[in-house]
Amino acid sequence: GAVVSQHPSRVICKSGTSVKIECRSLDFQATTMFWYRQFPKKSLMLMATSNEGSKATYEQGVEKDKFLINHASLTLSTLTVTSAHPEDSSFYICSAGRESEDTQYFGPGTRLTVL
Amino acid sequence: DAKTTQPTSMDCAEGRAANLPCNHSTISGNEYVYWYRQIHSQGPQYIIHGLKNNETNEMASLIITEDRKSSTLILPHATLRDTTVYYCIVRGTSGTYKYIFGTGTRLKVLA
Repeated sequence: GAVVSQHPSRVICKSGTSVKIECRSLDFQATTMFWYRQFPKKSLMLMATSNEGSKATYEQGVEKDKFLINHASLTLSTLTVTSAHPEDSSFYICSAGRESEDTQYFGPGTRLTVL
Repeated sequence: DAKTTQPTSMDCAEGRAANLPCNHSTISGNEYVYWYRQIHSQGPQYIIHGLKNNETNEMASLIITEDRKSSTLILPHATLRDTTVYYCIVRGTSGTYKYIFGTGTRLKVLA
């Protein structure tokens, strides 16, 4: 299957700082990528749809000014958690799919810990 | 909200078939049923998907009822390594392909 990578795999930061997470589709181009967050022992919650060359579409209840998404190329989307707080500590996962397929491929996830 | 409901947990004996049910009674005619599993602290792994016909691949089989309101994922010979969480997903709004995850089923394969 298609390969999606994320960087970093884990990050620890201080409260009030911003953290950028990268999501890359390694062997295909993706006009649309998705960002999820997952708390311990909970399911994945969709945060936003990242659209190449245009603004992201956020799910209800997700603060667009706090979770900045940029999809500058067909292989890269970034999620920036601004002014991070301990409650933002979570597992962040991205996914992407080929234009010709309906299947989404998920990245390995990024574990964010805010102290 | 998720369009699927699954049992919270199931047990299965090692070497036996694991049958994981999923209800999706509000599924639309052009929506697919997808199954993924998620091993701890990793991204979900694709297993199989289908529209109306039964499907089989090297990992599993997918049985979809004729009215498409429910489906069953079958792992033919469960191993201890199959112990993890399984998600049944009905693809979201057409054109965006977004997935809305439900709570999933935690399968435990017993030795």
